[in-house]
Amino acid sequence: NAGVTQTPKFQVLKTGQSMTLQCAQDMNHEYMSWYRQDPGMGLRLIHYSVGAGITDQGEVPNGYNVSRSTTEDFPLRLLSAAPSQTSVYFCASSSLRSEAFFGQGTRLTVV
Amino acid sequence: QQPVQSPQAVILREGEDAVINCSSSKALYSVHWYRQKHGEAPVFLMILLKGGEQKGHDKISASFNEKKQQSSLYLTASQLSYSGTYFCGTEEGGNKLVFGAGTILRVKS
Repeated sequence: NAGVTQTPKFQVLKTGQSMTLQCAQDMNHEYMSWYRQDPGMGLRLIHYSVGAGITDQGEVPNGYNVSRSTTEDFPLRLLSAAPSQTSVYFCASSSLRSEAFFGQGTRLTVV
Repeated sequence: QQPVQSPQAVILREGEDAVINCSSSKALYSVHWYRQKHGEAPVFLMILLKGGEQKGHDKISASFNEKKQQSSLYLTASQLSYSGTYFCGTEEGGNKLVFGAGTILRVKS
C-alpha cells in the first residue's frame, strides 16, 4: 500500500518556466490538498479538493492551478515559476474528519 | 485563517511535561495535531471533533474547548523521540484543514 506518492522529490526551475507536481493516492480518499511549507510559516493551504471534479482555493492560491479528474490524482501546476515559489510542497489526502496522510514532499527551487 | 499556536518553541529535559496551545477566531468542526521531524512529512497524532469524539494515539492527550475554539496538546514524561515541530490544524467546515505556524519542541537528555 503506497499511500500518497509525490513526484518529483526535487526540482530546480528557471524563473518563468512551468511545471506540474504530481500527487497520487491509493486509499480511495475523497479529500486531497496541496500545502507549501516555508521556514517559520508552517503549512499553508494552496488548493484543496472534496472529490473528483471539485476544487477550491486555499490561503495562497495565486500562481498555482489544480484539477481533479480522478479520485486518485491531484496535480499542482505552476504556471510561470517565480523565486517566491521556492518552497517544500506537500500533498495530503484523507477521508472526512480523519487522519490526513502526507506525501514525502517536493523540494522546489526557482532560480 | 491560520490558527495561532503557542509557545513558538520549547526546550525540555527528558521526563518533563509540556503543553502546546492552539486557538482560532472561527467556529471549528475539528482540530488536528501532527508532528514533523526535520526533512520528513508531518505525521498524525490526534483529531478532536466537535461533540467530543477523539481519534488518535493512546499515548497522546489533548483537549478541545468548542466554546473558546481552543485546543491543547499535552506531552507528559517527554522522551528524546518527542523532539520535532508540532502543528495544529483547524477545520471550519468542508474538511478544509488550515495549519498554524508550528511549535518547535526540543527534548534534551
